[in-house]
Amino acid sequence: DTGVSQNPRHKITKRGQNVTFRCDPISEHNRLYWYRQTLGQGPEFLTYFQNEAQLEKSRLLSDRFSAERPKGSFSTLEIQRTEQGDSAMYLCASSSPGTALNEQYFGPGTRLTVT
Amino acid sequence: DAKTTQPTSMDCAEGRAANLPCNHSTISGNEYVYWYRQIHSQGPQYIIHGLKNNETNEMASLIITEDRKSSTLILPHATLRDTAVYYCIVRAGNTGNQFYFGTGTSLTVIP
Repeated sequence: DTGVSQNPRHKITKRGQNVTFRCDPISEHNRLYWYRQTLGQGPEFLTYFQNEAQLEKSRLLSDRFSAERPKGSFSTLEIQRTEQGDSAMYLCASSSPGTALNEQYFGPGTRLTVT
Repeated sequence: DAKTTQPTSMDCAEGRAANLPCNHSTISGNEYVYWYRQIHSQGPQYIIHGLKNNETNEMASLIITEDRKSSTLILPHATLRDTAVYYCIVRAGNTGNQFYFGTGTSLTVIP
């Protein structure tokens, strides 16, 4: 059981730069989720994929954010023209199609710092 | 959307039971309540879930009130490793695939 993995674990970037994060879900899981977590707050939902289809997006996902899951396996989250307010932990989670109750398994997260 | 409210923080003596309450008064009739915890710098970890009846697993027990407007997570014998932020979660969004985490309860287990 390799679990959900995320890369990189830490990213420091300058304001205005683009960044891309990768999430590899548990292999048999067809559902994948992205969350953002700022200091002292719980994770906030960003977007949800079932296989390669992006089925739900939060209002938090501005035009500068884009997520893809091209082959229904790994996913990428890109942030264009980063702002200091984008500094946060970005969490990925996956769940199994056989789990109607939607138990989500989380990765360790990517911590983004925008300077 | 259904939302949850939890106390900001709690302390518990090591070896004693930790009882973490949650209010989810707007939960719909067929929605489950989930509990996750997050240890510092790690991703959230699933603990338990329930609908109407009390539930127990190897980690914890979950007591849900008859009107389903609140629940309590019970860690029967808290250890130092149980120090974490505990989230009571209900689903939200159009497809029910959004988890609403809220701010959680920061539990500190004291030696």
